[in-house]
Formats: sequence, structure tokens, C-alpha cells
Amino acid sequence: EVQLVESGGGLVQPGGSLRLSCAASGFSFSSYTMSWVRQAPGKGLECVTKMKEDGSENYYVDSVKGRFTMSRDNAKMSLTLQMNSLRAEDTAVYYCVRGGYSRFDMWGQGAMVTVSS
Amino acid sequence: EIVLTQSPATLSLSPGERATLSCRASQSVSSYLAWYQQIPGRAPRLLIYDASTRATGISARFSGSGSGTDFTLTISSLEPEDFAVYYCQQGSNWPLTFGPGTTVEIK
Repeated sequence: EVQLVESGGGLVQPGGSLRLSCAASGFSFSSYTMSWVRQAPGKGLECVTKMKEDGSENYYVDSVKGRFTMSRDNAKMSLTLQMNSLRAEDTAVYYCVRGGYSRFDMWGQGAMVTVSS
Repeated sequence: EIVLTQSPATLSLSPGERATLSCRASQSVSSYLAWYQQIPGRAPRLLIYDASTRATGISARFSGSGSGTDFTLTISSLEPEDFAVYYCQQGSNWPLTFGPGTTVEIK
């Protein structure tokens, strides 16, 4: 089955860390740019990071630069988003998404991250 | 950063009616514009990419047009399952950005 499955969400205190994982299946993972897109409660969508097929290029939005690190393992068909120094404004559903240019054509079910004391 | 503006914010229509949604970019994005549908509690779904190409499995009642800074998503005849939030997204420059969304609600 063609799918993306996120794991690792939860409740964390401000300043804390959390690691999200995404397992891909059913497609040629190493052929695709992959991204993380988040959605704060009741708000719109924001692409926070993307990584090229071979991991050679990685982009971050300014609000997470220096705090979040995206990585991928093509052999294991997996993505990781390491989130450090978390803030209340990072509270959101985080989606693992296939694509990272003119379209996002496959989405995971999302992982909820709540930053609160 | 390219800012996308969507109008109207809310569209109140009846099943069977035609829906016309607009997305305007703060600078040209060529044809690198996509549209997504999101039902509350679910992940977004790609409808249209490259301004006018329907994604796999998407009904022909959805169509997209435009280039440069002005784009339109048209739903020719609303079905009950089409009442949702619609977002546009530009793929021209990083950061990739989304519009704030248009809610299509049942009148």
C-alpha cells in the first residue's frame, strides 16, 4: 500500500525536544523530494522543511532554522524531524508529505505536537 | 516570501451550484500553483497542480486556470463531499507558501 505514517508526536514543555518519524511504503522513496508541513490548531498550512531525493539539499523556514533538523534514510524509506528548543507556537499537526516543489501529492495522517507547560 | 491571498474567505452555495475560488500571488509564480482540499480532521488532498493539471483520481468537475499572479479553481457542480476548505500553494520560490484558505459551506 502506498502510504506515509508519522509517529512520535506528543506533549512537550517549552524549551524541550521531540523527534518525529515518518515511514514510507509502496513507492520509490529515494526518487522524491520529501517535506514536513504543519498546521496549527484552526489555522492554515506551513511547509517548514524539505529535503531533496538524495539528501544533498535541505531547506528550512526562518521560524525553525537552527532548531529543527530534517534527515532521511533512503535505505529504510524513512524521514526524521528532530525538533529542539520547542516553543508554544510550534504546536501543530505535523504532516510528512511527498513532494516539495510545485505539488505535495501524498500526505501522512499527521502527528500532533503540543508545546505547553 | 511570496504571499498568497484567497477570495472569498467563505463561499456559501447549494449542492449542484458552481463554485469559483480565487488565489492571487504577490509576485509571479509562473504556473507553479497547486490546489488542495481539506475536510476537517483529515489531511489535505491534492486536487490540481501546475495551475491546471488534475491530480490522479480527481473528478473532472474540478478545474484550474491562470498563470503569473492570478489563479482560479472551479468546481462545476458541487457534490455533498465538496464542502470543505480549499488552499492554494505556490511552488515557485522557497519558502513554499499556502494561501489562508477558502471555506465552501452549504447554504
